[in-house]
Amino acid sequence: EVQLVQSGAEVKKPGESLRISCLASGYTFTNFWIGWVRQMPGRGLEWMGLIYPGDFDTRYSPSFEGQVTISADRSISTAYVQWSSLKASDTAMYYCARGTYYYDSSGSRRYYYGMDVWGQGTTVTVSS
Amino acid sequence: SYELTQPPSVSVSPGQTARITCSGDALPNQYAYWYHQKPGQAPLLVVYRDSVRPSGIPERFSGSSSGTTVTLTISGVQAEDEADYYCQSADSSGTLAVFGGGTKLTVL
Repeated sequence: EVQLVQSGAEVKKPGESLRISCLASGYTFTNFWIGWVRQMPGRGLEWMGLIYPGDFDTRYSPSFEGQVTISADRSISTAYVQWSSLKASDTAMYYCARGTYYYDSSGSRRYYYGMDVWGQGTTVTVSS
Repeated sequence: SYELTQPPSVSVSPGQTARITCSGDALPNQYAYWYHQKPGQAPLLVVYRDSVRPSGIPERFSGSSSGTTVTLTISGVQAEDEADYYCQSADSSGTLAVFGGGTKLTVL
Protein backbone atom coordinates (compact mmCIF):
# COMPACT_ATOMS: atom_id res chain seq x y z
CA GLU A 1 0.00 0.00 0.00
CA VAL A 2 1.29 3.43 -0.94
CA GLN A 3 1.50 5.60 2.15
CA LEU A 4 2.93 8.84 3.43
CA VAL A 5 3.18 8.86 7.20
CA GLN A 6 3.97 12.15 8.89
CA SER A 7 5.54 12.81 12.24
CA GLY A 8 3.43 13.72 15.24
CA ALA A 9 2.01 16.99 16.49
CA GLU A 10 4.45 19.60 17.74
CA VAL A 11 4.08 22.41 20.27
CA LYS A 12 6.88 24.94 20.16
CA LYS A 13 7.76 28.42 21.38
CA PRO A 14 8.50 31.36 19.08
CA GLY A 15 12.12 31.38 18.02
CA GLU A 16 12.58 27.62 18.36
CA SER A 17 13.60 25.40 15.47
CA LEU A 18 11.61 22.46 14.15
CA ARG A 19 11.81 19.73 11.56
CA ILE A 20 8.81 17.59 10.64
CA SER A 21 8.99 14.49 8.51
CA CYS A 22 7.10 12.49 5.90
CA LEU A 23 7.97 8.80 5.51
CA ALA A 24 7.11 7.24 2.16
CA SER A 25 6.39 3.56 1.69
CA GLY A 26 4.90 1.24 -0.91
CA TYR A 27 6.58 2.87 -3.91
CA THR A 28 10.01 3.90 -5.18
CA PHE A 29 10.79 7.15 -3.41
CA THR A 30 12.76 8.64 -6.29
CA ASN A 31 9.99 8.07 -8.84
CA PHE A 32 7.83 10.86 -7.42
CA TRP A 33 8.34 14.31 -5.96
CA ILE A 34 7.13 15.24 -2.48
CA GLY A 35 5.37 18.52 -1.85
CA TRP A 36 4.39 20.35 1.31
CA VAL A 37 1.11 22.19 1.85
CA ARG A 38 0.16 24.49 4.71
CA GLN A 39 -3.35 24.95 6.05
CA MET A 40 -3.73 27.58 8.72
CA PRO A 41 -6.67 27.20 11.14
CA GLY A 42 -9.95 27.71 9.30
CA ARG A 43 -8.16 28.66 6.08
CA GLY A 44 -7.44 27.17 2.66
CA LEU A 45 -4.57 25.18 1.24
CA GLU A 46 -1.27 26.89 0.45
CA TRP A 47 1.42 25.24 -1.64
CA MET A 48 4.79 25.63 0.04
CA GLY A 49 7.14 23.82 -2.31
CA LEU A 50 8.44 20.48 -3.45
CA ILE A 51 11.51 18.31 -3.61
CA TYR A 52 12.36 15.69 -6.19
CA PRO A 53 14.39 13.09 -4.31
CA GLY A 54 16.04 11.83 -7.48
CA ASP A 55 18.41 14.78 -7.64
CA PHE A 56 17.13 16.92 -4.73
CA ASP A 57 15.77 19.60 -7.05
CA THR A 58 13.77 21.86 -4.76
CA ARG A 59 11.23 24.57 -5.56
CA TYR A 60 9.56 27.01 -3.20
CA SER A 61 6.53 29.19 -3.41
CA PRO A 62 7.68 32.83 -3.09
CA SER A 63 5.67 33.09 0.12
CA PHE A 64 7.79 30.37 1.72
CA GLU A 65 11.19 30.95 0.11
CA GLY A 66 13.66 31.73 2.87
CA GLN A 67 11.11 30.85 5.57
CA VAL A 68 11.41 27.06 5.42
CA THR A 69 13.83 24.47 4.09
CA ILE A 70 12.60 21.35 2.30
CA SER A 71 14.93 18.36 2.20
CA ALA A 72 14.92 14.60 1.76
CA ASP A 73 16.90 11.53 2.76
CA ARG A 74 16.74 8.89 0.04
CA SER A 75 18.26 6.23 2.30
CA ILE A 76 15.16 6.25 4.51
CA SER A 77 12.57 7.47 1.96
CA THR A 78 11.77 10.52 4.05
CA ALA A 79 11.12 14.15 3.21
CA TYR A 80 11.33 17.01 5.65
CA VAL A 81 10.38 20.61 6.10
CA GLN A 82 12.20 22.63 8.70
CA TRP A 83 12.11 26.02 10.34
CA SER A 84 15.09 27.70 11.98
CA SER A 85 13.06 30.20 13.97
CA LEU A 86 9.34 29.61 14.36
CA LYS A 87 6.76 32.37 14.58
CA ALA A 88 3.26 32.25 15.98
CA SER A 89 2.03 32.64 12.40
CA ASP A 90 3.56 29.24 11.56
CA THR A 91 0.77 27.63 13.59
CA ALA A 92 -0.98 25.38 11.08
CA MET A 93 -1.57 21.89 9.79
CA TYR A 94 1.14 20.78 7.39
CA TYR A 95 0.58 18.08 4.80
CA CYS A 96 3.02 16.24 2.60
CA ALA A 97 1.86 14.71 -0.66
CA ARG A 98 3.42 13.13 -3.73
CA GLY A 99 3.27 14.01 -7.38
CA THR A 100 4.60 12.94 -10.74
CA TYR A 101 6.81 14.46 -13.40
CA TYR A 102 7.73 14.03 -17.03
CA TYR A 103 10.48 15.09 -19.43
CA ASP A 104 9.60 17.50 -22.19
CA SER A 105 10.89 17.42 -25.76
CA SER A 106 14.07 19.24 -24.75
CA GLY A 107 14.78 16.75 -21.98
CA SER A 108 13.88 19.12 -19.16
CA ARG A 109 12.01 17.70 -16.20
CA ARG A 110 8.58 19.22 -15.76
CA TYR A 111 6.26 18.62 -12.85
CA TYR A 112 2.64 17.63 -12.88
CA TYR A 113 1.49 19.50 -9.78
CA GLY A 114 -1.43 17.29 -8.87
CA MET A 115 -0.88 15.23 -5.73
CA ASP A 116 -2.44 11.79 -5.55
CA VAL A 117 -1.33 10.52 -2.14
CA TRP A 118 -1.33 12.64 1.00
CA GLY A 119 0.02 12.25 4.48
CA GLN A 120 -2.28 12.50 7.46
CA GLY A 121 -0.98 15.94 8.38
CA THR A 122 1.17 17.30 11.19
CA THR A 123 -0.20 19.97 13.50
CA VAL A 124 2.33 22.60 14.49
CA THR A 125 1.42 24.98 17.30
CA VAL A 126 3.71 27.89 18.08
CA SER A 127 2.83 29.74 21.25
CA SER A 128 4.67 31.42 24.06
CA SER B 1 1.81 36.49 -7.70
CA TYR B 2 -0.44 34.15 -9.62
CA GLU B 3 -3.95 33.51 -8.31
CA LEU B 4 -6.78 31.10 -8.96
CA THR B 5 -10.27 32.38 -8.18
CA GLN B 6 -13.08 30.19 -6.89
CA PRO B 7 -16.53 31.14 -5.54
CA PRO B 8 -16.54 30.94 -1.74
CA SER B 9 -19.65 28.80 -1.62
CA VAL B 10 -22.02 26.72 -3.73
CA SER B 11 -25.28 25.21 -2.49
CA VAL B 12 -27.34 22.48 -4.13
CA SER B 13 -30.08 20.04 -3.16
CA PRO B 14 -29.41 16.31 -3.20
CA GLY B 15 -29.64 14.85 -6.68
CA GLN B 16 -28.95 18.15 -8.39
CA THR B 17 -25.82 19.12 -10.29
CA ALA B 18 -23.15 21.25 -8.64
CA ARG B 19 -20.68 23.24 -10.68
CA ILE B 20 -17.64 24.80 -9.10
CA THR B 21 -15.53 27.13 -11.21
CA CYS B 22 -11.90 28.14 -10.99
CA SER B 23 -10.46 31.01 -13.02
CA GLY B 24 -6.86 31.88 -13.78
CA ASP B 25 -4.96 33.46 -16.64
CA ALA B 26 -2.61 30.52 -17.13
CA LEU B 27 -5.28 27.83 -17.17
CA PRO B 28 -5.36 27.59 -20.99
CA ASN B 29 -1.75 26.36 -20.80
CA GLN B 30 -1.55 24.58 -17.47
CA TYR B 31 -3.39 21.53 -16.18
CA ALA B 32 -5.86 21.91 -13.36
CA TYR B 33 -6.43 19.56 -10.47
CA TRP B 34 -9.34 19.32 -8.06
CA TYR B 35 -9.44 18.13 -4.45
CA HIS B 36 -12.11 17.78 -1.87
CA GLN B 37 -11.48 18.06 1.82
CA LYS B 38 -13.83 17.05 4.58
CA PRO B 39 -13.40 18.41 8.13
CA GLY B 40 -10.47 16.85 9.93
CA GLN B 41 -9.27 14.98 6.85
CA ALA B 42 -6.48 15.40 4.35
CA PRO B 43 -7.42 16.58 0.85
CA LEU B 44 -8.37 13.94 -1.70
CA LEU B 45 -7.63 14.27 -5.43
CA VAL B 46 -10.88 13.93 -7.39
CA VAL B 47 -9.83 15.17 -10.86
CA TYR B 48 -6.38 15.53 -12.41
CA ARG B 49 -5.07 17.02 -15.64
CA ASP B 50 -8.29 18.95 -16.15
CA SER B 51 -10.66 16.04 -16.67
CA VAL B 52 -9.24 12.69 -15.59
CA ARG B 53 -10.82 10.90 -12.68
CA PRO B 54 -8.50 8.88 -10.41
CA SER B 55 -9.30 5.28 -9.71
CA GLY B 56 -11.92 4.97 -7.01
CA ILE B 57 -13.51 8.39 -7.55
CA PRO B 58 -17.22 8.13 -8.41
CA GLU B 59 -18.27 8.85 -11.97
CA ARG B 60 -20.46 11.73 -10.81
CA PHE B 61 -17.27 13.81 -10.49
CA SER B 62 -16.05 15.32 -13.76
CA GLY B 63 -13.79 18.15 -14.83
CA SER B 64 -13.75 20.39 -17.87
CA SER B 65 -11.79 23.32 -19.20
CA SER B 66 -12.69 26.30 -21.33
CA GLY B 67 -10.29 29.16 -21.79
CA THR B 68 -9.27 30.69 -18.48
CA THR B 69 -11.89 28.75 -16.50
CA VAL B 70 -11.98 25.16 -15.35
CA THR B 71 -15.06 23.58 -13.85
CA LEU B 72 -15.65 20.70 -11.47
CA THR B 73 -19.08 19.20 -12.02
CA ILE B 74 -20.73 16.88 -9.52
CA SER B 75 -23.78 15.22 -11.03
CA GLY B 76 -26.43 13.82 -8.74
CA VAL B 77 -24.93 15.38 -5.63
CA GLN B 78 -25.09 13.27 -2.49
CA ALA B 79 -24.97 14.38 1.12
CA GLU B 80 -21.50 12.86 1.45
CA ASP B 81 -20.20 15.29 -1.19
CA GLU B 82 -20.52 18.19 1.23
CA ALA B 83 -16.94 19.40 1.63
CA ASP B 84 -14.48 22.11 0.72
CA TYR B 85 -13.26 21.90 -2.87
CA TYR B 86 -9.95 23.31 -4.08
CA CYS B 87 -8.58 23.75 -7.56
CA GLN B 88 -4.83 23.71 -8.15
CA SER B 89 -2.71 24.62 -11.10
CA ALA B 90 0.56 26.33 -12.01
CA ASP B 91 1.65 29.74 -13.22
CA SER B 92 2.36 30.39 -16.88
CA SER B 93 5.97 29.24 -16.61
CA GLY B 94 4.96 25.99 -14.96
CA THR B 95 7.39 26.54 -12.12
CA LEU B 96 5.04 27.60 -9.35
CA ALA B 97 2.02 25.69 -8.13
CA VAL B 98 -0.92 27.44 -6.53
CA PHE B 99 -4.27 26.55 -4.97
CA GLY B 100 -7.51 28.39 -5.39
CA GLY B 101 -9.10 29.82 -2.29
CA GLY B 102 -11.54 26.96 -1.94
CA THR B 103 -15.29 26.54 -2.35
CA LYS B 104 -17.55 25.22 0.38
CA LEU B 105 -20.15 22.93 -1.14
CA THR B 106 -23.30 22.73 0.95
CA VAL B 107 -25.85 20.01 0.25
CA LEU B 108 -29.19 21.43 1.34
